[in-house]
Amino acid sequence: GAVVSQHPSWVICKSGTSVKIECRSLDFQATTMFWYRQFPKQSLMLMATSNEGSKATYEQGVEKDKFLINHASLTLSTLTVTSAHPEDSSFYICSARGRAGPTDTQYFGPGTRLTVL
Amino acid sequence: AQSVSQHNHHVILSEAASLELGCNYSYGGTVNLFWYVQYPGQHLQLLLKYFSGDPLVKGIKGFEAEFIKSKFSFNLRKPSVQWSDTAEYFCAVNARGNNRLAFGKGNQVVVIP
Repeated sequence: GAVVSQHPSWVICKSGTSVKIECRSLDFQATTMFWYRQFPKQSLMLMATSNEGSKATYEQGVEKDKFLINHASLTLSTLTVTSAHPEDSSFYICSARGRAGPTDTQYFGPGTRLTVL
Repeated sequence: AQSVSQHNHHVILSEAASLELGCNYSYGGTVNLFWYVQYPGQHLQLLLKYFSGDPLVKGIKGFEAEFIKSKFSFNLRKPSVQWSDTAEYFCAVNARGNNRLAFGKGNQVVVIP
């Protein structure tokens, strides 16, 4: 099956710093990538959808200036948490979907645990 | 917007018991339906999916799910669980033609050997 990787798998940073998380589709071209946030014992909440070469579409309530998403190639999307604060601590998961569009399956990365001190 | 509900967040059962996890969604239009599994320490993996056709879908590891349109349900079943089925199970739905995948809160399943 398709493989999606994330890097780093965990990161600890000081309040006020920025953190970049990478999401890569390793063996397929991902025209669309998704970023989710998962709180403990809760479901995945979609933060934004990004299509290669275009601006990301953010879900209601997600600050686009705080969570910068770049989908520069068909295999790489990045999420940058700018000026991170403790309330941004969470588990961030990306997924990628291939060229078949909405009828294609989303494949998920292993997630990145962000802890902001 | 579509929403997904999963009941009985924690399920504990013995090996060889049968498992059924309920999933209901709220959306009046055509949907794609998914069940994902997350084993301890691992990422989400697709168990099975339904787009169209036979409403009884068979997935990996002996799981199956049945789409009942009139009940807006997509329940997951396995006739005889194993200890290795201990995991969290998520139902997910997206409206046909829509990017957004809405997840349920998940079912934490623990199988006792």
